Amino acid sequence: GAGVSQSPSNKVTEKGKDVELRCDPISGHTALYWYRQSLGQGLEFLIYFQGNSAPDKSGLPSDRFSAERTGGSVSTLTIQRTQQEDSAVYLCASSQNPVQGEGTEAFFGQGTRLTVV
Amino acid sequence: GENVEQHPSTLSVQEGDSAVIKCTYSDSASNYFPWYKQELGKRPQLIIDIRSNVGEKKDQRIAVTLNKTAKHFSLHITETQPEDSAVYFCAASNPSSNTGKLIFGQGTTLQVKP
Repeated sequence: GAGVSQSPSNKVTEKGKDVELRCDPISGHTALYWYRQSLGQGLEFLIYFQGNSAPDKSGLPSDRFSAERTGGSVSTLTIQRTQQEDSAVYLCASSQNPVQGEGTEAFFGQGTRLTVV
Repeated sequence: GENVEQHPSTLSVQEGDSAVIKCTYSDSASNYFPWYKQELGKRPQLIIDIRSNVGEKKDQRIAVTLNKTAKHFSLHITETQPEDSAVYFCAASNPSSNTGKLIFGQGTTLQVKP
């Protein structure tokens, strides 16, 4: 079946513009994550959606960042008034509902490379 | 919240040698510990995971050990090969909590020299 799909693959935007990044998770996966990976760096947690629960937004770096997940499926990460330090690869991942409290594999998309000029 | 520390940040070994990467976590309620491999320009992919009800898990040349008391877990790669060269990330989560987010360590760049 299809894996996690992200669009666009690459995005170049001017400083100050807003951008929207899209993530299509694997069908049936209830958990969805967004991470940011700067060049040569680790996976910085941004936001986590699990089913109908309120999202965990504790990783969002500023109020310029927001994310939605409509109908428990597709998610959009929005960055307003982009700045050069926002340049990074934004990765989305999804996983199945935990079974009896046990974690399941998170599958990653290919990422969106955002460049702010 | 959960914090995961990973060491070393870089590791260089000769082909055929073993490699060990160590991680510590802060949330004693975490019960799921996956390891991901990320090759250059590619997405992270799961290579092995362990849950808190076991202390060790092996899959061919890869093994992971977990010490819940000390809150640390390690990845062991034996008989390393050049294709093992990549960045490895550990992670921890408590899926049954209100926020079962997956928190990653900083990553280890493994270089296997032929």
